[in-house]
Amino acid sequence: QKEVEQDPGPLSVPEGAIVSLNCTYSNSAFQYFMWYRQYSRKGPELLMYTYSSGNKEDGRFTAQVDKSSKYISLFIRDSQPSDSATYLCAMSKGSGGGADGLTFGKGTHLIIQP
Amino acid sequence: EAGVTQSPTHLIKTRGQQATLRCSPISGHTSVYWYQQALGLGLQFLLWYDEGEERNRGNFPPRFSGRQFPNYSSELNVNALELEDSALYLCASSFSLNYGYTFGSGTRLTVV
Repeated sequence: QKEVEQDPGPLSVPEGAIVSLNCTYSNSAFQYFMWYRQYSRKGPELLMYTYSSGNKEDGRFTAQVDKSSKYISLFIRDSQPSDSATYLCAMSKGSGGGADGLTFGKGTHLIIQP
Repeated sequence: EAGVTQSPTHLIKTRGQQATLRCSPISGHTSVYWYQQALGLGLQFLLWYDEGEERNRGNFPPRFSGRQFPNYSSELNVNALELEDSALYLCASSFSLNYGYTFGSGTRLTVV
């Protein structure tokens, strides 16, 4: 079993829809959870950063962490064609991710249809 | 503010050769991380440098090595290149103990 599982997609939704992206993980030592967005031929861009369980909202994005279920989600409201990208979940045991680096999911390819 | 810059953008090498990749972190960031993004494997942690020292490495053989210079820029060296080393190599920087990373756009290494 891989440490972080993420459905690769592609996930195709119409413009304006609510998008739900998810990851599951197996290592209960993970405390910090991140979502990155990666456009083609670009490096990942940090979208959301959360610590432990709970919700965090930033504009159209909401990150949700359920440590009891080892499940994290990213919701995108009022999706736009510019949101089309690969979304990567990442997690770490330490705040800076330094000691063991970040553990990434393989990413979900999201397509927003105009 | 300039982001994380990586050079070269693309690199083509022959199996058995050595590759050198370079990274300049965001000004003020002292930590540099290297990741490999190979097709179908996702991002894999390679190396972490902080204040000029290698602090940790991922599950990669010793032919992957690097260093961090006094200005905090970093270099990744891959010796004895193998075909499976073909990947996007991403550098990221952070201010120590800060959250998340800022990634560069990567160097696409192709081994033929």
